[in-house]
Amino acid sequence: DIQMTQSPSSLSASVGDRVTITCQASQDITNYLSWYQHKPGRAPKFLIYDASELITGVPSRFNGSGSGTDFTFTISSLQPEDIAIYYCQQYDSLPLTFGGGTKVEIK
Amino acid sequence: QVQLVESGGGVVQPGGSLRLSCAASGFTFRNFAVHWVRQAPGKGLEWVGFIRYDGTKRDYTDSVKGRFTISRDNSENTVDLQMTGLRAEDTAVYYCGKDGGGYWIDYWGQGTLVTVSS
Repeated sequence: DIQMTQSPSSLSASVGDRVTITCQASQDITNYLSWYQHKPGRAPKFLIYDASELITGVPSRFNGSGSGTDFTFTISSLQPEDIAIYYCQQYDSLPLTFGGGTKVEIK
Repeated sequence: QVQLVESGGGVVQPGGSLRLSCAASGFTFRNFAVHWVRQAPGKGLEWVGFIRYDGTKRDYTDSVKGRFTISRDNSENTVDLQMTGLRAEDTAVYYCGKDGGGYWIDYWGQGTLVTVSS
């Protein structure tokens, strides 16, 4: 199984700050990586696929990059509504696996 | 709009069984795979398994193989997760999700809580 290591597990930043989350795969997954936003009590929301393709309607302050084993998710200017847990997920091979999540809070 | 609604959660004793259902609408259901993902209390997301659009392929995470079975009814737009031999570690919120065409999950339900406890 492909292991996804996500860091940090939590972070606290001010409104307007740039926030960066990393996700590392245990083997080459090309660009078969997606990112999700999960707010408590709500359905997870799909943000990015193929490592960098932003879903229609997702604010442009969200960005994804990377390939191979190392990936990055960035919020260019943190907003209060971005408070959530963010997950990466590889779909290079089954079983699908998620990173451990990054809890983003406002300082 | 795309909607997925899970039902069937509840409290069950260890070793017991439970059947979850996922009702889908707002898209051509028969054309898409469906996944089940769970989140144990205080933990992250864990993929449980999936069923191909036509039901001909299913796969599961190792910890549920032989205990959980996913099925679908393309005439009713539903996917079921039959869970047997339930263990305390199966306690979680279970989400169903529509496959986006490449094994990513583009729409998710709100989830249903399964608690395994005596």
